[in-house]
Amino acid sequence: DTGVSQDPRHKITKRGQNVTFRCDPISEHNRLYWYRQTLGQGPEFLTYFQNEAQLEKSRLLSDRFSAERPKGSFSTLEIQRTEQGDSAMYLCASSLLGYTDTQYFGPGTRLTVL
Amino acid sequence: DQQVKQNSPSLSVQEGRISILNCDYTNSMFDYFLWYKKYPAEGPTFLISISSIKDKNEDGRFTVFLNKSAKHLSLHIVPSQPGDSAVYFCAASDTPGGSQGNLIFGKGTKLSVKP
Repeated sequence: DTGVSQDPRHKITKRGQNVTFRCDPISEHNRLYWYRQTLGQGPEFLTYFQNEAQLEKSRLLSDRFSAERPKGSFSTLEIQRTEQGDSAMYLCASSLLGYTDTQYFGPGTRLTVL
Repeated sequence: DQQVKQNSPSLSVQEGRISILNCDYTNSMFDYFLWYKKYPAEGPTFLISISSIKDKNEDGRFTVFLNKSAKHLSLHIVPSQPGDSAVYFCAASDTPGGSQGNLIFGKGTKLSVKP
């Protein structure tokens, strides 16, 4: 299966701890997106990369959040000093820039902050 | 303010009948629309999309209709099957030509197809 993969699938942490999630996109895709989904809501955009460049960041992405895509392949999303409000599903998607670069999503990482 | 609205949180349909899921949007700059299906504990799965230059796009049992003047789109599934039971999300992009930056999602409609 060459779809988008995310690791870990589940993460439970205590408030104040740092967490890091990884996303591996579909191999030929040059765009990578991070979204956050909370209960009863649709996914909300956080940030996206085209190759290594981070092109857009949402206001939802506070200073405690940082994302990287150092070699234009996999990406990491780090949350520092986690808060209970950070509990959510973190979704990664990738696409191939073109006329219609449809975004394909991974299974997500569910974060629970105690 | 929600730019993409799915006003029906849930929909129940009998197997073999048509399912119609609706979506309204407020931003006239939206240029490209997509529908995703989501099963529990999985990421959203792309279903079908439509550009603002079209009013209909069909793919097998799935058809999406776009009414730009009403800022409304709908997803028709016919015939509905029990395996279609999932949460369906409508999403929109305001990037011209369909090249997407971020997508703006509705809250989703939970479809239940009863045997």
